[in-house]
Amino acid sequence: QVQLQESGPGLVKPSQTLSLTCTVSGGSISSGSYYWSWIRQPAGKGLEWIGRIYTSGSTNYNPSLKSRVTISVDTSKNQFSLKLSSVTAADTAVYYCARVDHGSGWYYFDYWGQGTLVTVSS
Amino acid sequence: QTVVTQEPSFSVSPGGTVTLTCGLSSGSVSTSYYPSWYQQTPGQAPRTLIYSTNTRSSGVPDRFSGSILGNKAALTITGAQADDESDYYCVLYMGSGMVFGGGTKLTVL
Repeated sequence: QVQLQESGPGLVKPSQTLSLTCTVSGGSISSGSYYWSWIRQPAGKGLEWIGRIYTSGSTNYNPSLKSRVTISVDTSKNQFSLKLSSVTAADTAVYYCARVDHGSGWYYFDYWGQGTLVTVSS
Repeated sequence: QTVVTQEPSFSVSPGGTVTLTCGLSSGSVSTSYYPSWYQQTPGQAPRTLIYSTNTRSSGVPDRFSGSILGNKAALTITGAQADDESDYYCVLYMGSGMVFGGGTKLTVL
């Protein structure tokens, strides 16, 4: 059973860079044809897709965040990471990592992490 | 940017049937968008219900079904139960990424 676990600082100062890591267990991050994705959810609001990475390193980002987001993968550690620069209070949210299963005829999030709250405050 | 639309809220009586929809601000939703549906209760991570328009994820009861109705994707809950009271999100695949709908808060009463 694949499991994902987010980790990182729960408090980040405004203008700094938010950094989170998602550790994948129960399977190799390199096996199969999966994308690995980040999603966030401000308190009381909906879910927002941040971006995705393939194990080859290719990435796609939400256009609204693209200028500030970097997603990377470390296959040796079975992890992928999120960096969001120049954060403001509007970036305060629960951040989820998720696996995307895709193929000919399907594309969806099949496994989710439990989420981690990141607060942007001085 | 494309906006994915969902009803903000809906209510259903226990045992009743409800259909939630997922549309586009411009254009029609088709199977080519690989619509998927997720259920979220407060404080929990989303749970995958439906993918590829109408395929139930493992362990999802058959009272949940997906379809295309007119120009929208749809999630139908038949025989609603109290623990179906949740937020429901649709996601559409846009080629270079994925877009979430705003979510529907379903009340069972």
